[in-house]
Amino acid sequence: GENVEQHPSTLSVQEGDSAVIKCTYSDSASNYFPWYKQELGKGPQLIIDIRSNVGEKKDQRIAVTLNKTAKHFSLHITETQPEDSAVYFCAAFSSNTGKLIFGQGTTLQVKP
Amino acid sequence: EAGVVQSPRYKIIEKKQPVAFWCNPISGHNTLYWYLQNLGQGPELLIRYENEEAVDDSQLPKDRFSAERLKGVDSTLKIQPAELGDSAVYLCASSWTSGTPNEQFFGPGTRLTVL
Repeated sequence: GENVEQHPSTLSVQEGDSAVIKCTYSDSASNYFPWYKQELGKGPQLIIDIRSNVGEKKDQRIAVTLNKTAKHFSLHITETQPEDSAVYFCAAFSSNTGKLIFGQGTTLQVKP
Repeated sequence: EAGVVQSPRYKIIEKKQPVAFWCNPISGHNTLYWYLQNLGQGPELLIRYENEEAVDDSQLPKDRFSAERLKGVDSTLKIQPAELGDSAVYLCASSWTSGTPNEQFFGPGTRLTVL
C-alpha cells in the first residue's frame, strides 16, 4: 500500500541555523505534497505545498523540493526561530486513491 | 472566517462505554474527513465524505465505529463500545473538494482517553 517515510524523527538546531526534513513516498500516482506544522494541542496547519509538475517552491524562510524520479521531497527552513519549534508532517496525495498519506512526523526544537 | 470546529476537546471514558465526537467544517467545504492520530504518529484517515456520502470508509473499524453526515454539513463520529486502544486524538478536516488535491484544513481535535 501507500507509504511515506519521514526522517529524522527529532531534530535540534540552534536559532538561526537551517533545518532539513526529508520524506520518501511509494505511490507513483502521488501528485501533491503538503507539509503541515502541528503545535501542542492543535491540529496540523499547512505551511507549504508542492505539486508534481513543480520541482521547487519557496515561501520566505521555508522551501520545498521534489524529486519525482527518486520519489523524494524535502522541507528546508532557514534562519530558524524558537517559534518554529513544533512537529512537522510531510504527506503525499495519491491520485489513485484520493488519500493523503502522512509521514510519522519530525519534532523540531530550535534552541535560543 | 471560522475554522473547523470540533467538540468536545477532551473526553475521558471507561472502556466499553460509548462516545461521540462532533465536527463542523468550514462553510462551503464539501469534503469532510475524520482522522485518527496516535501519539507520536501522523494522522491516518478513517473516513471521507463528499457532501453526505461516505466515499471512503475502508479504514473505519465498522464493528465499533460509525459516522454520519446527514445533511452534508456537520458530522458525528461514534465509538461503541470503546476499547483501551482507542485512546488517541480524533481529528476532523475539511476541503473544498477531494477530486483534485487541495488543502485540507484541520480542526483542533478531540483527545480521547479510555480507562
